[in-house]
Amino acid sequence: DVKVTQSSRYLVKRTGEKVFLECVQDMDHENMFWYRQDPGLGLRLIYFSYDVKMKEKGDIPEGYSVSREKKERFSLILESASTNQTSMYLCASSLGLLTGFTDTQYFGPGTRLTVL
Amino acid sequence: QKEVEQNSGPLSVPEGAIASLNCTYSDRGSQSFFWYRQYSGKSPELIMSIYSNGDKEDGRFTAQLNKASQYVSLLIRDSQPSDSATYLCAVNLAGTASKLTFGTGTRLQVTL
Repeated sequence: DVKVTQSSRYLVKRTGEKVFLECVQDMDHENMFWYRQDPGLGLRLIYFSYDVKMKEKGDIPEGYSVSREKKERFSLILESASTNQTSMYLCASSLGLLTGFTDTQYFGPGTRLTVL
Repeated sequence: QKEVEQNSGPLSVPEGAIASLNCTYSDRGSQSFFWYRQYSGKSPELIMSIYSNGDKEDGRFTAQLNKASQYVSLLIRDSQPSDSATYLCAVNLAGTASKLTFGTGTRLQVTL
């Protein structure tokens, strides 16, 4: 079974703080993703990585950065947290098939971040 | 126009009935399609993937893909109260590598 874990289920931070969200997968997947999920807006891609030290911006990268120093770990960083970054953050990973088709993404349990 | 569209619901069906969930997408070149189920407060979990036109069955679930009409649907037979959840349609839009674009989900309520 694929296992994707996230460092915290709930997190409360103050405006202006630097926030680190960690994600670890144990299936040697190539691709890792960070999403945020908000009511009425669905899942939106923040960043993704298809290899160690490689990253690409998703649809809403502003205010976020990422780090992938090891294959199994993908970190999301909020440099200076703001109240509009209060959300559910979901990490996902996928195998990274070299075919014309996209493979399944497996999600971690999510981190509900509140910025006060 | 949204790239992946779903009716937000709620879709209410009685226990034992067939639930039909629909999803349309904007890009005719899309190749990979996924249905996820998400319980309240939980993360999405995969129900089924489908890549070819036609039907794909897995237990009580059937995914249907029609690329010409740009829609994908999920049928749930013999609906159970435990099927009450939000169902997310996800599409790999053409030219977006390994990324998925998600619809906003349809909330399904199975009533006793």
